[in-house]
Amino acid sequence: GAVVSQHPSRVICKSGTSVKIECRSLDFQATTMFWYRQFPKQSLMLMATSNEGSKATYEQGVEKDKFLINHASLTLSTLTVTSAHPEDSSFYICSARVPSGFDHNEQFFGPGTRLTVL
Amino acid sequence: GQNIDQPTEMTATEGAIVQINCTYQTSGFNGLFWYQQHAGEAPTFLSYNVLDGLEEKGRFSSFLSRSKGYSYLLLKELQMKDSASYLCAVLDSNYQLIWGAGTKLIIKP
Repeated sequence: GAVVSQHPSRVICKSGTSVKIECRSLDFQATTMFWYRQFPKQSLMLMATSNEGSKATYEQGVEKDKFLINHASLTLSTLTVTSAHPEDSSFYICSARVPSGFDHNEQFFGPGTRLTVL
Repeated sequence: GQNIDQPTEMTATEGAIVQINCTYQTSGFNGLFWYQQHAGEAPTFLSYNVLDGLEEKGRFSSFLSRSKGYSYLLLKELQMKDSASYLCAVLDSNYQLIWGAGTKLIIKP
């Protein structure tokens, strides 16, 4: 159990366009999801915490108007990169906090989305 | 501030044993995780420690000392497929994961 899917797995877009990435919890309800960004040879960097039915909490330095997060249901959170630029090219990963009933506060990760902005 | 330190890179031989250390200084502690991440893929869960001591799971074991702010991941009988980055992460008082930069493990035949 506790499977998280992410779509698309890879996207290439032109500079100035917007890209939407979906993160779904397939077999459980996730009230809290997390969005990370990872540049080559670096660790995961938390961008924002997405809470179902409320506004996302963004980390310092992350532009909320550029990275729009919507957590409209207990199984779906979306990240939209608006007016993407080449410096936004990165590996974007979502995760969902395991619901209560599990032994610990583990996060399960989606497979990631490789974004390349030309 | 919050800080997690682990070596940048380690090299080991197939069939051998390797220990990857992690030290942490965080605001609160609600557990420490080890994740494995192959290049171009998302992290996968390896272990979770919240109490002091050693947790063994097959070829992988993880140790925690809360008083020392220290953990290690022990990998036995190394296989080539173990070549990956190993990420140490601590759950702080706000239940937010604080990540280390990861240790790239290179396995040589």
